[in-house]
Amino acid sequence: GENVEQHPSTLSVQEGDSAVIKCTYSDSASNYFPWYKQELGKRPQLIIDIRSNVGEKKDQRIAVTLNKTAKHFSLHITETQPEDSAVYFCAASPNTDKLIFGTGTRLQVFP
Amino acid sequence: GAVVSQHPSWVICKSGTSVKIECRSLDFQATTMFWYRQFPKQSLMLMATSNEGSKATYEQGVEKDKFLINHASLTLSTLTVTSAHPEDSSFYICSATGLRGYNEQFFGPGTRLTVL
Repeated sequence: GENVEQHPSTLSVQEGDSAVIKCTYSDSASNYFPWYKQELGKRPQLIIDIRSNVGEKKDQRIAVTLNKTAKHFSLHITETQPEDSAVYFCAASPNTDKLIFGTGTRLQVFP
Repeated sequence: GAVVSQHPSWVICKSGTSVKIECRSLDFQATTMFWYRQFPKQSLMLMATSNEGSKATYEQGVEKDKFLINHASLTLSTLTVTSAHPEDSSFYICSATGLRGYNEQFFGPGTRLTVL
């Protein structure tokens, strides 16, 4: 089945710097790659997603890139702010419904 | 749109009892609902996928007789943890798809289960 690896597990950055989180997936049939932000005790919130027919997508300070050949995708957050501090999860969908999550990255943005 | 609710938000029970958690899609019909379990500082682990009117599909290693899933309508799925034990204590989150045709999942707020 699909396996998603995520790195790094923790990431600390200074406010205003950029943060990059990387994920790799194993199933070449996966066609949907969302990113979620989760605050302690809360539900995951979708922050951006990308489909396999697109190489890059941007939404204000957040961007995602996808390399289908290498089977990896990355989340880029620019001009980080303290409120960006949370746990971020990538996920891959090997079929039309199921999502397999990465292990998560705890991002801390220091003022 | 795309609101998913869960009830209860938290529950404490004694070892050996059963607990039922409800997941509802409030403003759309959910063709598929998913149940996840999340232990502290860990990722979401998919437990099962359920479609309305059919048996749930459980992920490898998940005991279907312990975690009973019923998807009786297009807006309601329930997870019953039978004979709960302290190791079942976790954050249980449901999600639903159906609004945009495929892939995008809308998550419930989660249920914190503590088994004493």
